Amino acid sequence: GAVVSQHPSWVICKSGTSVKIECRSLDFQATTMFWYRQFPKQSLMLMATSNEGSKATYEQGVEKDKFLINHASLTLSTLTVTSAHPEDSSFYICSHSTGTKYNEQFFGPGTRLTVL
Amino acid sequence: GQSLEQPSEVTAVEGAIVQINCTYQTSGFYGLSWYQQHDGGAPTFLSYNGLDGLEETGRFSSFLSRSDSYGYLLLQELQMKDSASYFCAVKRTGGFKTIFGAGTRLFVKA
Repeated sequence: GAVVSQHPSWVICKSGTSVKIECRSLDFQATTMFWYRQFPKQSLMLMATSNEGSKATYEQGVEKDKFLINHASLTLSTLTVTSAHPEDSSFYICSHSTGTKYNEQFFGPGTRLTVL
Repeated sequence: GQSLEQPSEVTAVEGAIVQINCTYQTSGFYGLSWYQQHDGGAPTFLSYNGLDGLEETGRFSSFLSRSDSYGYLLLQELQMKDSASYFCAVKRTGGFKTIFGAGTRLFVKA
C-alpha cells in the first residue's frame, strides 16, 4: 500500500503561536489529500480536502483562515494551525486515496498537537 | 445531512466471531469502508464494499446492502490483537470524501 508520512509526530506549543504540520506521500503522486482531526476516543472528523495547485475545500464549520492548507506539490500538503489555542489540541491526521477499486485511504501516522 | 451509526462498544472472547453493524444516511453514496485503529495509531484499511454483497479478506468480511443503507464487519477467530476501534466510513461522490462513523471499541477477552 501507499506510504504517508507526517511531521512532526507531536508538538507542544504556547497559545497564540502557529504550528505547521507536513504530510508527505512517499510513493504516490497524490493530487488530493484529506486532513482529519480526532479528539480522544472520538471519530475522525474531516476538516478539508487539499487539492494540488488549487485552494483547499473546507468542511462546514472549519475555519479556513485558522487552518491554512497548502498543497504545493503532488507529494506534499501542509496544514498550519494559526494562533493556536488549547481547544485546538487534537490528533491531526492526513490521508490520500490511491484510487484503486477498493478505494482505500492511506493515513499518515498523525500529529498530536498540544497547545498550552 | 449525513449520519453513520454503529455500536459504541462490543466485547467478545478469543476465538469467537463478532459482527459490528453500521447504518448510514447520506447523499451521494459511493461505497462503505471499514478501518481499524489501535490507540495512538493511525487508521488502517480493512475492507470496502461498493456493491451489495459480501467481501471476504482473511478473517475479516464485510457486507453491504445499499437498499437498506446497512453494512456490517464480521471478524472471525478473534485474537487479542483485534482489540481496537473499528470505524465504518462512507465514501461519497463529488470529491470522493470519506466520512467516518463514531467508531466501535472492540474488547477481546481471553
